[in-house]
Amino acid sequence: QSALTQPPSASGSPGQSVTISCTGTSSDVGRYKYVSWYQQHPGKAPKLIIYEVNNRPSGVPDRFSGSKSGNTASLTVSGLQAEDEADYYCNSYAGNNNWVFGTGTTVTFL
Amino acid sequence: QVQLVDSGGGVVQPGGCLRLSCTTSEFSFNTCGMHWVRQAPGRGLEWVAVIWSDGRHDFYADSVRGRFTISRDDSKNTLFLQMSSLRDDDTAIYYCVRERAAYDGFDIWGRGTQVTVSS
Repeated sequence: QSALTQPPSASGSPGQSVTISCTGTSSDVGRYKYVSWYQQHPGKAPKLIIYEVNNRPSGVPDRFSGSKSGNTASLTVSGLQAEDEADYYCNSYAGNNNWVFGTGTTVTFL
Repeated sequence: QVQLVDSGGGVVQPGGCLRLSCTTSEFSFNTCGMHWVRQAPGRGLEWVAVIWSDGRHDFYADSVRGRFTISRDDSKNTLFLQMSSLRDDDTAIYYCVRERAAYDGFDIWGRGTQVTVSS
């Protein structure tokens, strides 16, 4: 199972929006609604910020939103804040009790 | 905040074995799927293994199948990852992770335990 493809980096100015893509195949992202996103700060464990394509767990700001079209999922961070600088990973269920993560995207301020 | 406590990492020689453990007092492992996810130094996340809530079904990534075994002791509410025939590329931080709902995201993560395979 190959990793989902994400851009290595994305950047934006404070207050602006940044969108991260996550491209898979018709066997994972394109087939299942089980796409999730994780935020990871250096030296810390990842944190779930989006599940089932576009749902936020309790406590996650509504600045984070998700979507999916075909084999590509996207995470948008609106109103970029200092604490949003981090690595972001997508994940998709890939069938047959197999899960696949994305390659990861580092978000930084311009 | 719900916590998972993972432990058991260390330095081991290639071909060696190691057993990781994960426990919590805040929910029962027999109520949800539990996974192990790893992250090699400077690299991304990699899903490793899952055990279903029934404890009778377990599944693995191709990279570890036949070498790693995920299991659970419900009397101690402890999750394990038995690793054997370890290779250099198994070096990583290993995270114990709870599945939010069937197939649907990982909502609780341990702090991770470092495994280093080196001669």
